Amino acid sequence: DTGVSQDPRHKITKRGQNVTFRCDPISEHNRLYWYRQTLGQGPEFLTYFQNEAQLEKSRLLSDRFSAERPKGSFSTLEIQRTEQGDSAMYLCASSPTIPGGPSDTQYFGPGTRLTVL
Amino acid sequence: GQSLEQPSEVTAVEGAIVQINCTYQTSGFYGLSWYQQHDGGAPTFLSYNGLDGLEETGRFSSFLSRSDSYGYLLLQELQMKDSASYFCAVNLGSSNTGKLIFGQGTTLQVKP
Repeated sequence: DTGVSQDPRHKITKRGQNVTFRCDPISEHNRLYWYRQTLGQGPEFLTYFQNEAQLEKSRLLSDRFSAERPKGSFSTLEIQRTEQGDSAMYLCASSPTIPGGPSDTQYFGPGTRLTVL
Repeated sequence: GQSLEQPSEVTAVEGAIVQINCTYQTSGFYGLSWYQQHDGGAPTFLSYNGLDGLEETGRFSSFLSRSDSYGYLLLQELQMKDSASYFCAVNLGSSNTGKLIFGQGTTLQVKP
């Protein structure tokens, strides 16, 4: 079990550029989540996958944000035409599905810190 | 909307006991979780309550009262390494997606 990994760990970009982040969940976990966290706040839910299906997307997520999980393994989060307000830590988490039970133990990756200049 | 309320800061001394409260108002409820996050680190799972009552895991315990929309995290025998932010999080919805709504976090400072 190598844990959840994210790449890159830090990204600095200029306003208007596109960025893409990658998340590799724990291998046997079929649920994958993306969250955004700003300083002094709790993680904010962005989107959720069960296997390759994107089952929920936050209303806070504008059309500039898109996420994929093409083979039900790793996931990517792309932000197009970045804005300064997109500066945040982007966290990925994964969890197993326990038949008949909750899947509340989410394992978080180290995050990708995005700075938009 | 969804809201979770927890104190912003708590200070305690090594060896003491501290309780961090969380009240919530959410459109759905499947369970209450607690996560710890050190500066610059990722949130790590501490405890989960799906039913009313107390769950104990080593030095940490968590309590839930669904009728009061209230829970707390109890940390005993505080150690310096417990200095961190602590988040309560509600698992929304009847479909058990695992989607978590987090509070704003409580910063715990443990002093010698």
